[in-house]
Amino acid sequence: EDQVTQSPEALRLQEGESSSLNCSYTVSGLRGLFWYRQDPGKGPEFLFTLYSAGEEKEKERLKATLTKKESFLHITAPKPEDSATYLCAVQAGNTPLVFGKGTRLSVIA
Amino acid sequence: DTEVTQTPKHLVMGMTNKKSLKCEQHMGHRAMYWYKQKAKKPPELMFVYSYEKLSINESVPSRFSPECPNSSLLNLHLHALQPEDSALYLCASSQERWDGYTFGSGTRLTVV
Repeated sequence: EDQVTQSPEALRLQEGESSSLNCSYTVSGLRGLFWYRQDPGKGPEFLFTLYSAGEEKEKERLKATLTKKESFLHITAPKPEDSATYLCAVQAGNTPLVFGKGTRLSVIA
Repeated sequence: DTEVTQTPKHLVMGMTNKKSLKCEQHMGHRAMYWYKQKAKKPPELMFVYSYEKLSINESVPSRFSPECPNSSLLNLHLHALQPEDSALYLCASSQERWDGYTFGSGTRLTVV
């Protein structure tokens, strides 16, 4: 069975304190790994898609990387507006996205 | 247009009511999805439509009835819901079933 595990469940950072979120996965035939940001009461907002090990993508203070077993979302010098839940999801074959439980990030000014 | 639009944004309904949630996209995506999300939980898949045909039903109770009238529109008909059905209902679409999803902003449903 495809599984996606995110850690930590919750993370509290001071403004400017860089850190990483982890997403480990066990799937057969990975088609893509997706990172989403979700604010309370809103739909997930697409951030990145990673397709193969070694791939990296960046957007502002966020950088996503992928290995054969896990992905990291690095947050550099975070700001309070980066506070949100970050969801990781994987897709294998024609199956729908399988989501992890998310990491709730709080950035304190 | 790169959005998935969901209406209404909020809905309060009684257990004997019938209501519908609407989802619309004009990106030419051929797959559309309904998800249910409870507080502090990840989205749970309910239904998948591919090329306007229902392809996945994740054992959802019959009080939820999906409909895909055309390639741009997806409805979720609600009837005789229970208070535990209160949640954020999310619609998503993708170019094909193996592409990344674009989510709508959701409908916050409260069953009283």
